Amino acid sequence: AQTVTQSQPEMSVQEAETVTLSCTYDTSESNYYLFWYKQPPSRQMILVIRQEAYKQQNATENRFSVNFQKAAKSFSLKISDSQLGDTAMYFCAFGNNDMRFGAGTRLTVKP
Amino acid sequence: DGGITQSPKYLFRKEGQNVTLSCEQNLNHDAMYWYRQDPGQGLRLIYYSQIVNDFQKGDIAEGYSVSREKKESFPLTVTSAQKNPTAFYLCASSYAGTGEYEQYFGPGTRLTVT
Repeated sequence: AQTVTQSQPEMSVQEAETVTLSCTYDTSESNYYLFWYKQPPSRQMILVIRQEAYKQQNATENRFSVNFQKAAKSFSLKISDSQLGDTAMYFCAFGNNDMRFGAGTRLTVKP
Repeated sequence: DGGITQSPKYLFRKEGQNVTLSCEQNLNHDAMYWYRQDPGQGLRLIYYSQIVNDFQKGDIAEGYSVSREKKESFPLTVTSAQKNPTAFYLCASSYAGTGEYEQYFGPGTRLTVT
């Protein structure tokens, strides 16, 4: 079974700075999908970014970008120009037939 | 507005009672999911359904039951057999249950059993 590991339970960053959240996964599949979801204090889960494993180009969405290293099975999320509204739990997820979530990283953006 | 609704937001029950959590979606999605979220454990899959009248157990199905009689609805019953039912429950849906598609989440239901 696929597993997803987020090794940083908590992180903090100063407003306007850059932060990188780590995610590793374990799979024997060659084609799959990776996601980062954000869960702010309201607890509403929303998609931040999606990456298809067969695409070598890293996905970007405005201030959010990923560093996808397929051989290393690593999928980190970089948040640039951090804003107070980025304070949330961030979950990495692996999709192949079903979806597996990591335990999450609690990010706090400090003013 | 398309989306997923869960009701109620907060639910309180006495131990030994069954309770049903509602989940409705108007996104025309085929697949629907129930997750349980506990502190420090991320989201754990309880049940999922890829099509009407069919559903499969997830990783922690014991003590829970579901039905999928309509495409739009996927209610979850927490039975008295669930040993530790107090948790935050999230319902989600996606275009298909292949792991390829984004899952859309409801606002969640916080269940407290005393």
